[in-house]
Amino acid sequence: GAGVSQTPSNKVTEKGKYVELRCDPISGHTALYWYRQSLGQGPEFLIYFQGTGAADDSGLPNDRFFAVRPEGSVSTLKIQRTERGDSAVYLCASSLRAGLAGGPTDTQYFGPGTRLTVL
Amino acid sequence: KQEVTQIPAALSVPEGENLVLNCSFTDSAIYNLQWFRQDPGKGLTSLLLIQSSQREQTSGRLNASLDKSSGRSTLYIAASQPGDSATYLCAVGPNNAGNMLTFGGGTRLMVKP
Repeated sequence: GAGVSQTPSNKVTEKGKYVELRCDPISGHTALYWYRQSLGQGPEFLIYFQGTGAADDSGLPNDRFFAVRPEGSVSTLKIQRTERGDSAVYLCASSLRAGLAGGPTDTQYFGPGTRLTVL
Repeated sequence: KQEVTQIPAALSVPEGENLVLNCSFTDSAIYNLQWFRQDPGKGLTSLLLIQSSQREQTSGRLNASLDKSSGRSTLYIAASQPGDSATYLCAVGPNNAGNMLTFGGGTRLMVKP
């Protein structure tokens, strides 16, 4: 079956511009996560959705970052007034449940990521 | 705040060797631990998930162990192959709803033919 997909695969923008990154989770997965991975480091948590609501956005670095998941499937990560420090790979993951359910339902499946470069 | 450390940061071995990758975490109140593989320019592939109540999980040539009380996990790769070359990431999930993962920095493995 189809895995997690992310578009675009690469995005180059200029400092100060607005960008949107899209994530299509695995069908039927209720939990969706966004992570950010800088070069040579492990991914860092940004925000997680359970259904349509943002259950935890404690990882968002500042108020320029915002994410939505209006129908409980596709999610969009939005970055306003981009800065060079925002350059990274943005990873999306989904899981059947959002933890505490036990077993394979907690496994997070990751998309290929969007590489964002801010010039 | 949970911190996850992976040692070594990089490892180069000849084909056929058995090897161990190490992961340590500071807060033992975890719900689960996952090992992932990441190929250059690609996303993460889940290899093994260990629930906090489990001691180990096995899949093919891979075996992951978990010692929650000491804050350690190891990933054992048997009879390594060049196709195993990748970055291996360890991640822990907190003991609360959500399971937002905290990742280590990864171990870059190269298996030479």
